[in-house]
Amino acid sequence: QKEVEQDPGPLSVPEGAIVSLNCTYSNSAFQYFMWYRQYSRKGPELLMYTYSSGNKEDGRFTAQVDKSSKYISLFIRDSQPSDSATYLCAMSATDSWGKFQFGAGTQVVVTP
Amino acid sequence: NAGVTQTPKFQVLKTGQSMTLQCAQDMNHEYMSWYRQDPGMGLRLIHYSVGAGITDQGEVPNGYNVSRSTTEDFPLRLLSAAPSQTSVYFCASSWGTSPYSYNEQFFGPGTRLTVL
Repeated sequence: QKEVEQDPGPLSVPEGAIVSLNCTYSNSAFQYFMWYRQYSRKGPELLMYTYSSGNKEDGRFTAQVDKSSKYISLFIRDSQPSDSATYLCAMSATDSWGKFQFGAGTQVVVTP
Repeated sequence: NAGVTQTPKFQVLKTGQSMTLQCAQDMNHEYMSWYRQDPGMGLRLIHYSVGAGITDQGEVPNGYNVSRSTTEDFPLRLLSAAPSQTSVYFCASSWGTSPYSYNEQFFGPGTRLTVL
């Protein structure tokens, strides 16, 4: 069983809707959580970086971490067609820093 | 800054051939890593390095070798290519080498490798 699980989608939403993405994980040692966006045939780019539990907001993006449930989320408000991409979660533990575990990625399609 | 560069962009190999995927960064980043990306599998870490002369294995290291003789370069060697190594390979780098420093990973554009 993979340490990080992520629904592959595709997730199709109309423009202006809220996109809700999530990952679950099994390793309770994970402390650092990241969300990446990957456009087709490109390398991933970092969207959000959070430590431990709580919320973090950056513009239209909000990341949430619930360590008690081993569950992280990314919300995209006022979605735009340019948000159409694959979103990958990633995480790491303090004592194995550098060994990032990625989810499989969720494909998001925002329709005009 | 060119960022993270990877060569070649595309490569076709026959089973048993060897080759080296090149990765270079001009941001003076200490941390560099190699991932492979397969459909439905996300990114899987192959090898990583926290500085020149220091490398360690990731999740899927078998069949791959790395070395880090300079801060800028982190080549990935396929010793004897197999069809199971058909994938898209990404190199990444970041400034930080610990969880207590800023750790945005910058990814290269990828190398698409097919092994026949």
